[in-house]
Amino acid sequence: AQTVTQSQPEMSVQEAETVTLSCTYDTSESDYYLFWYKQPPSRQMILVIRQEAYKQQNATENRFSVNFQKAAKSFSLKISDSQLGDAAMYFCAYRSAWDSNYQLIWGAGTKLIIKP
Amino acid sequence: DADVTQTPRNRITKTGKRIMLECSQTKGHDRMYWYRQDPGLGLRLIYYSFDVKDINKGEISDGYSVSRQAQAKFSLSLESAIPNQTALYFCATSAQGRGYTFGSGTRLTVV
Repeated sequence: AQTVTQSQPEMSVQEAETVTLSCTYDTSESDYYLFWYKQPPSRQMILVIRQEAYKQQNATENRFSVNFQKAAKSFSLKISDSQLGDAAMYFCAYRSAWDSNYQLIWGAGTKLIIKP
Repeated sequence: DADVTQTPRNRITKTGKRIMLECSQTKGHDRMYWYRQDPGLGLRLIYYSFDVKDINKGEISDGYSVSRQAQAKFSLSLESAIPNQTALYFCATSAQGRGYTFGSGTRLTVV
């Protein structure tokens, strides 16, 4: 069974600096999707970024980018120029490309604190 | 209007009571899910559904039941609520090649 591990329960960063959140996963499959979701205090779950495993190019969305290392089964999220509004829980998630149920496997989350 | 709407937003109920959490969507997605979120545990899948005739148990279905009344509506019931069902509950939808769209969650407290 696939698992997703986020080894950092909490991270803090100074406003305007860069922070990297770690995520590792375990799977025997070669085709899958990886996601980062953000959950601010409003508790809404918001999709931050998505990566297809067959794409070598790392996904980017404005200040958010990933470092996808398929062989190492690592999927870290880099947030550049951190802003106060980035403070939230961040969840890493995995989905098999072959799962017709589209089920997501979730990590336990990392709480990101932004220091003004 | 939100794409995925959950009601109620917050609810306090007593042990042993039956409670229903409702979810409706305007995304037109066929797949719908109910998740439970507990601190430090991330999200855990309770039930999921492809359409009104397809209901599947997730990893923590005991104590819960669901009903898919229409493609756009998926409700979660706790037949006899207990305190360890106190949690944040999310409904989500999905379509092929996409991530999930979440509702804003229902915070349930069982006293």
